[in-house]
Amino acid sequence: SAVISQKPSRDICQRGTSLTIQCQVDSQVTMMFWYRQQPGQSLTLIATANQGSEATYESGFVIDKFPISRPNLTFSTLTVSNMSPEDSSIYLCSVGAASTIFGYTFGSGTRLTVV
Amino acid sequence: GDSVTQMEGPVTLSEEAFLTINCTYTATGYPSLFWYVQYPGEGLQLLLKATKADDKGSNKGFEATYRKETTSFHLEKGSVQVSDSAVYFCALSTSNTGKLIFGQGTTLQVKP
Repeated sequence: SAVISQKPSRDICQRGTSLTIQCQVDSQVTMMFWYRQQPGQSLTLIATANQGSEATYESGFVIDKFPISRPNLTFSTLTVSNMSPEDSSIYLCSVGAASTIFGYTFGSGTRLTVV
Repeated sequence: GDSVTQMEGPVTLSEEAFLTINCTYTATGYPSLFWYVQYPGEGLQLLLKATKADDKGSNKGFEATYRKETTSFHLEKGSVQVSDSAVYFCALSTSNTGKLIFGQGTTLQVKP
């Protein structure tokens, strides 16, 4: 399966600031996915990042708040903008497909605390 | 819309007990079904998957069978160990675009 390196692994940020999370994959992939896991809750898809086109956002998530870059087939970033304490979550990137033997692989996550 | 419902936790079992974590889904089309596990302090790992009706996924002694007639994908293990203590997530994907829809997660605690 693909190996995903995600950083930072954790950060504590001041409200009103922004944080950029990086996701590097060891192989070329068409789509990369960004999820949020709020404290004690399940994972929710934020957006799908395709190389060469704008990201596709899920309902409830907007580009101004969560801008995404996808400069090539192995790398993506997610920025959490103008943060508030409600943004405190674990953010994860993922690659893969249902049809492959490994399904979807996830990065180790970025644990964000906004104070 | 598509959704996944898991039995509520936490589930507390003694070592060597039988485990069942219920998972049912609602989906249009024919979803692929997954169980992911999140061990304490670690990332999300694929435990097993099934891509069509009547398929059985299995791994590390865990099994789940894709039941289209009951829209279920219950996770079972015959004899749990302390090391199985984790949060288990049932999930589905209805297309190859990669959108995974997760259940709320079930925390399993196994006591010696």
